[in-house]
Amino acid sequence: EDQVTQSPEALRLQEGESSSLNCSYTVSGLRGLFWYRQDPGKGPEFLFTLYSAGEEKEKERLKATLTKKESFLHITAPKPEDSATYLCAVQTYGGSQGNLIFGKGTKLSVKP
Amino acid sequence: DAGVIQSPRHEVTEMGQEVTLRCKPISGHDYLFWYRQTMMRGLELLIYFNNNVPIDDSGMPEDRFSAKMPNASFSTLKIQPSEPRDSAVYFCASTQRSGSFGSEQFFGPGTRLTVL
Repeated sequence: EDQVTQSPEALRLQEGESSSLNCSYTVSGLRGLFWYRQDPGKGPEFLFTLYSAGEEKEKERLKATLTKKESFLHITAPKPEDSATYLCAVQTYGGSQGNLIFGKGTKLSVKP
Repeated sequence: DAGVIQSPRHEVTEMGQEVTLRCKPISGHDYLFWYRQTMMRGLELLIYFNNNVPIDDSGMPEDRFSAKMPNASFSTLKIQPSEPRDSAVYFCASTQRSGSFGSEQFFGPGTRLTVL
């Protein structure tokens, strides 16, 4: 069964304290790995798509990387406005076209 | 574009009542997805449509749940009869083109359903 596991469940950082979120996956065949950000009371908002091991993508203070078993979302010098829940999702060759399998997310809190 | 629109934003109902959630996807998007989010299970796909046709409804939990997409700009998710365990936030999302490889899904603000 395809699975996505995110860790930690929650992470508290001080402003400027860099860290990483982990997304490990077990899938039959990976088509793409997605990162989304979700603010309280809102729907998830797309951040990145990664397709193959070794790929990296950056956006402001965020950098996503991908290996054959996991993805990391690195947050450099975070600010309070980076506080949100970060969701990882995978799309597989075995699944229905368009189907995303989500992890439960990591809730990030950045204190000033 | 206004983005994906969902209504109502909040719904409180009593067990046994019928609940209808509504979604208007982004114009031009040919894929529409219904998700349910709970603390215990996270975000789960219920059903998705391509060009108004249901493609995969394997995530629909029971026969009490049904979804329709009568045209490209409107979809409904109906629960009849509702039960307390249906309490969750329901999201609608849409995407364009094949909806597959690498395409971004745009989510609506969600409907928070509480069944008493």
